[in-house]
Amino acid sequence: DIQMTQSPSSLSASVGDRVTITCRASQSISNYLNWYQQKPGKAPNLLIYAASSLQSGVPSRFSGSGSGTDFTLTISSLQPEDFATYYCQQSYSTPRTFGQGTKVEIK
Amino acid sequence: EVQLVESGGGLVQPGGSLRLSCAASGFTLSTYSMNWVRQAPGKGLEWVAYISSSSSTINYEDSVKGRFTISRDNAKNSLYLQMNSLRDEDTAVYYCARETSIYRSLVYWGQGTLVTVSS
Repeated sequence: DIQMTQSPSSLSASVGDRVTITCRASQSISNYLNWYQQKPGKAPNLLIYAASSLQSGVPSRFSGSGSGTDFTLTISSLQPEDFATYYCQQSYSTPRTFGQGTKVEIK
Repeated sequence: EVQLVESGGGLVQPGGSLRLSCAASGFTLSTYSMNWVRQAPGKGLEWVAYISSSSSTINYEDSVKGRFTISRDNAKNSLYLQMNSLRDEDTAVYYCARETSIYRSLVYWGQGTLVTVSS
């Protein structure tokens, strides 16, 4: 099974900050990497698919990069509505494992 | 509008069974592969099961193999998860999610249904 390791597990940031979250796969997954945002009590929301493609309707301040085993989600200028938990997920093979999540909190 | 609506959750004793349903609307279920994902209280997301559009391929997370069965009825536009021999650690919100065809990302999710396993 492919393990997904996210870092950090949590971070504190201010509105306007640039935020970077990393995700590492235990083996190459090409670009089969997705990023989701989840707010309390809600279902996850797809932000990025294929490692760097922005899902329709998602603000352009979100971007993704990487290929193989190392991936990054960047929020260029953090907005109040971005405080949430973010998950990476590999869709290269089953089980379709998720990272453990990164909680982005207000500083 | 694409909608996924889960039902069937509730309180069940350890060792018991539940059948979750996911009613799909706004699209033709038979065209898409589907997944179940769960989230234990205060914990992260955990992928549970996958079923291809024709049901020819089915996969499970190791801890549910032999206890859970994913199935679909394309004619009824419905997805199911039969859960047997439930354990305390199966307590979670269960989501059904539709997979995209190419990169297999989960674009559409239901609102979730809570399963509580407790005596």
